[in-house]
Amino acid sequence: KAGVTQTPRYLIKTRGQQVTLSCSPISGHRSVSWYQQTPGQGLQFLFEYFSETQRNKGNFPGRFSGRQFSNSRSEMNVSTLELGDSALYLCASSFGPNEKLFFGSGTQLSVL
Amino acid sequence: EDQVTQSPEALRLQEGESSSLNCSYTVSGLRGLFWYRQDPGKGPEFLFTLYSAGEEKEKERLKATLTKKESFLHITAPKPEDSATYLCAAAGTASKLTFGTGTRLQVTL
Repeated sequence: KAGVTQTPRYLIKTRGQQVTLSCSPISGHRSVSWYQQTPGQGLQFLFEYFSETQRNKGNFPGRFSGRQFSNSRSEMNVSTLELGDSALYLCASSFGPNEKLFFGSGTQLSVL
Repeated sequence: EDQVTQSPEALRLQEGESSSLNCSYTVSGLRGLFWYRQDPGKGPEFLFTLYSAGEEKEKERLKATLTKKESFLHITAPKPEDSATYLCAAAGTASKLTFGTGTRLQVTL
């Protein structure tokens, strides 16, 4: 059974650019969550999607957005990148809300 | 606002030296307390879910327990392969998972 797949694995961008990250959940999982992980802040919740609807949103600026497609695949977009956006972005899937999460290996974003 | 605090930040143990990691939580209407293990360069890997005070779960050298305010991850006779960052997370009525910043465990020979 394939795990959660995130692409790309590494990304280098410059300030002001925008970026799109992709996540393919485990087959059959309908809930996808996104987290930002930094050494100082730990895992910070970005948003959660269930059946193409955003169920929850964390305390991040509007530059961070996401969506989920009918096949449960999800994308997150960050516009007007700032240096502070450099982090590991993790996607996790589950059968539904409050179920255990299965994480991908993440996308390491570096903003120069 | 939901909060999860883990201690200690880092822990160094010798092989065979048992210890406990602490996770204190403040959430509205706990729906689940989760423990994950994270190795460098990888995403967190699920270990346990606890739902109510008094509940305990075990897996190999790990045992997780839950009270109304805290959870403990007990590590019995650890081995070097247990070295990792252990993360605790709590889900409240908002159904949002709040993570602690983790405990970095290093087990030496």
